[in-house]
Amino acid sequence: DAGITQSPRHKVTETGTPVTLRCHQTENHRYMYWYRQDPGHGLRLIHYSYGVKDTDKGEVSDGYSVSRSKTEDFLLTLESATSSQTSVYFCAISEGGANTGELFFGEGSRLTVL
Amino acid sequence: SQKIEQNSEALNIQEGKTATLTCNYTNYSPAYLQWYRQDPGRGPVFLLLIRENEKEKRKERLKVTFDTTLKQSLFHITASQPADSATYLCALRGSARQLTFGSGTQLTVLP
Repeated sequence: DAGITQSPRHKVTETGTPVTLRCHQTENHRYMYWYRQDPGHGLRLIHYSYGVKDTDKGEVSDGYSVSRSKTEDFLLTLESATSSQTSVYFCAISEGGANTGELFFGEGSRLTVL
Repeated sequence: SQKIEQNSEALNIQEGKTATLTCNYTNYSPAYLQWYRQDPGRGPVFLLLIRENEKEKRKERLKVTFDTTLKQSLFHITASQPADSATYLCALRGSARQLTFGSGTQLTVLP
């Protein structure tokens, strides 16, 4: 299994509270991604990173920010959580390039915003 | 707008039969297409990748086809087993760094 650890795995918080989810990898992969998964919508890309301090927005980036100060860590922050951000969040990594592009996923972080 | 559709939300088949899942897309010119398996409460796991210049790819009991004219991929599991029960996701790489997923088909193989 790819060395990807997400924390926390479960979190319940209140509307308006800041939340940070952490993704840690031991694979030294260049690319890291944050997806959210909701019933009926599948996996939707929030933000991704193609290197330290290099990040870009995905399909559903509003209300989220990310940071990557080290190769191994990719943080997802909800500055002021809303109930619509209740979801399961998955971190993924890939080596990148044209050869495979396959993603390795973490186990997910279930966030409930009350 | 770009869209990926997996035609069946749920598919039930009898053990030993071949399961066929469909992935259709619009307004993409993907360099390749991927299939993933996801079990409840777990992250997706990569199964197969097929490139735009490949018509078919096989891995053990799995077979994927890719028709860029029809804008469709078919995913087959032959001699299906109850252990194959899971949600299967197709994914397309449209731009250089982003992978976009369909909403998945939940497959149940009945013993």
